[in-house]
Amino acid sequence: GAGVSQTPSNKVTEKGKYVELRCDPISGHTALYWYRQSLGQGPEFLIYFQGTGAADDSGLPNDRFFAVRPEGSVSTLKIQRTERGDSAVYLCASSLSGTGGNYGYTFGSGTRLTVV
Amino acid sequence: QKEVEQDPGPLSVPEGAIVSLNCTYSNSAFQYFMWYRQYSRKGPELLMYTYSSGNKEDGRFTAQVDKSSKYISLFIRDSQPSDSATYLCAMSKETSGSRLTFGEGTQLTVNP
Repeated sequence: GAGVSQTPSNKVTEKGKYVELRCDPISGHTALYWYRQSLGQGPEFLIYFQGTGAADDSGLPNDRFFAVRPEGSVSTLKIQRTERGDSAVYLCASSLSGTGGNYGYTFGSGTRLTVV
Repeated sequence: QKEVEQDPGPLSVPEGAIVSLNCTYSNSAFQYFMWYRQYSRKGPELLMYTYSSGNKEDGRFTAQVDKSSKYISLFIRDSQPSDSATYLCAMSKETSGSRLTFGEGTQLTVNP
């Protein structure tokens, strides 16, 4: 596609429920990143995929968070037993071959998650 | 203490003004420095990318890096109402596959 697509754009869920957030990167981009942006804050790194494997998952806050990218394209961020503190915008970005520098990341518009 | 500090503003200027946005950082391992612009309900978009100390200019935008002081700046000349957005500084330790560490962003409004 022309850009990074994230679905849904908005998600409201009840505390304790399970949610899945989807990211469809730019075609041909092998690197994929997930960030979380709380209100009034800059994005915080969660996880980085190079191809199908998670090259760096050190930003995941706890074991309720998990992400997959089984075919090296679409990625799903999964959150179990959601808590109100998980409410944030979840941003996905992709880049060519993990080169986030001169090429820069291309970010999607994010999924706004609200846990009530 | 946060690794990257950025004054959140908000900053309000008249059209045509020169805008100065700044970030400081504490980790000397950061080598690559970026400025992103984020409109409301949109993802950040890359404005400027620099490596090493010095200046880089692109149209109305100038990015400055001073590694000795751990200080980076973005200048916007002849500011326009369309520049109204949140500006995020970001930095990384490596260019390939490296996570970005962002400042909290400065909210800028340019008044016509």
